[in-house]
Amino acid sequence: LAKTTQPISMDSYEGQEVNITCSHNNIATNDYITWYQQFPSQGPRFIIQGYKTKVTNEVASLFIPADRKSSTLSLPRVSLSDTAVYYCLVGYSSASKIIFGSGTRLSIRP
Amino acid sequence: DTGVSQDPRHKITKRGQNVTFRCDPISEHNRLYWYRQTLGQGPEFLTYFQNEAQLEKSRLLSDRFSAERPKGSFSTLEIQRTEQGDSAMYLCASSSPAGGNTEAFFGQGTRLTVV
Repeated sequence: LAKTTQPISMDSYEGQEVNITCSHNNIATNDYITWYQQFPSQGPRFIIQGYKTKVTNEVASLFIPADRKSSTLSLPRVSLSDTAVYYCLVGYSSASKIIFGSGTRLSIRP
Repeated sequence: DTGVSQDPRHKITKRGQNVTFRCDPISEHNRLYWYRQTLGQGPEFLTYFQNEAQLEKSRLLSDRFSAERPKGSFSTLEIQRTEQGDSAMYLCASSSPAGGNTEAFFGQGTRLTVV
């Protein structure tokens, strides 16, 4: 399974756009890129998944360059409630498990 | 609520006691996962079921840990002779064939404290 590298922590302010970048240099051809969000004392929650180019849903956008060796999760106009840990994962649907790294701890200030 | 359900939410036990946790996945999800999470760390994979078959176990899962998923529905995770190092949040997740392994739905977790 491809390993991912992402910043340990990030700070931002309400109303700003936040971009969290994840490196996955060894991503395989069949791998998808998935992001999860986790609030304290809760299980992780799936946010968005993509294979290439750009994916957007009601929560976030995911930008994936052509070489797929990195990806960027974009959160538009964050609020205090976006304070959480964000995990970037890379894997293939037939693989047996989902491997989490340490994630990025995002803190949003008023 | 049709999400993943875990019971109990909290468990305090004395060292050396056995504990059992239950997970009810989303209906018709054939994959079920158990994870352990300690403060400040990401969830660590423990084991994985596809239907009733336990297909993979992490080396983190010592002989004191056992998991079952009879009939491919709910699952139980038992820890025997608990140790203080077992204190953690135990998370269960499930996914459907369409979602594959990278789109999983997690429960709220069971927080275990061993005293």
